[in-house]
Amino acid sequence: QTVVTQEPSLTVSPGETVTLTCASSAGAVTTGYYPNWFQQKPGQAPRALIYSTSNKHSWTPARFSGSLLGDKAALTLSGVQPEDEAEYYCLVYYGVAQLLFGGGTKLTVL
Amino acid sequence: QVQLVQSGAEVKKPGSSVKVSCKASGGTFNNYRISWVRQARGQGLEWMGGIIPIFDSGNYAQKFQGRVRITTDESTSTAYMELSSLRSEDTAVYYCATDHGGALLGYWGQGTLVTVSS
Repeated sequence: QTVVTQEPSLTVSPGETVTLTCASSAGAVTTGYYPNWFQQKPGQAPRALIYSTSNKHSWTPARFSGSLLGDKAALTLSGVQPEDEAEYYCLVYYGVAQLLFGGGTKLTVL
Repeated sequence: QVQLVQSGAEVKKPGSSVKVSCKASGGTFNNYRISWVRQARGQGLEWMGGIIPIFDSGNYAQKFQGRVRITTDESTSTAYMELSSLRSEDTAVYYCATDHGGALLGYWGQGTLVTVSS
């Protein structure tokens, strides 16, 4: 059974840069797995941020970027803002009947 | 802009079924997959399955095979998720979300709380 793994929690200060990663037990996460990233704040539905590795939605702030780092997908926040405190989830596409979310990264901005 | 509006909260008995709806507006309903994702309290997101309305055939995560059925009504641009043989562990917020362009789950509904309790 494939498992997608993210850092459980990260803490960052405002203005800093932080990178969240997304690893697969099935091997390297590549562009062919179309990694997506979502942000979720307490009591709200998730919001899509990044699709197909590095593409931004029209509403995605410029400080968010997606990439591949080694064998993982990555989400980088450059110049973190207090409002970026949230849970972040990656999603990996393994096939029409297998989309797997990572366990989420709780990002704290202190 | 695509909008997804889901039906209201449900309280169900163990062993029963629940059917949640998701009405889409502002986009092309038929061509993009609609998925259902659930989230138990304090837990992460879990993809349950999805359907592309023009194909009218759902694809389901192995965990939910045989217990979940996703359907659509193109005349009303509404998708439905029916989960049967409910147990307490199915208590969660259920979200619908639609792909858009190359994006998976680009737009989300507001969520529907399903509580399973005797």
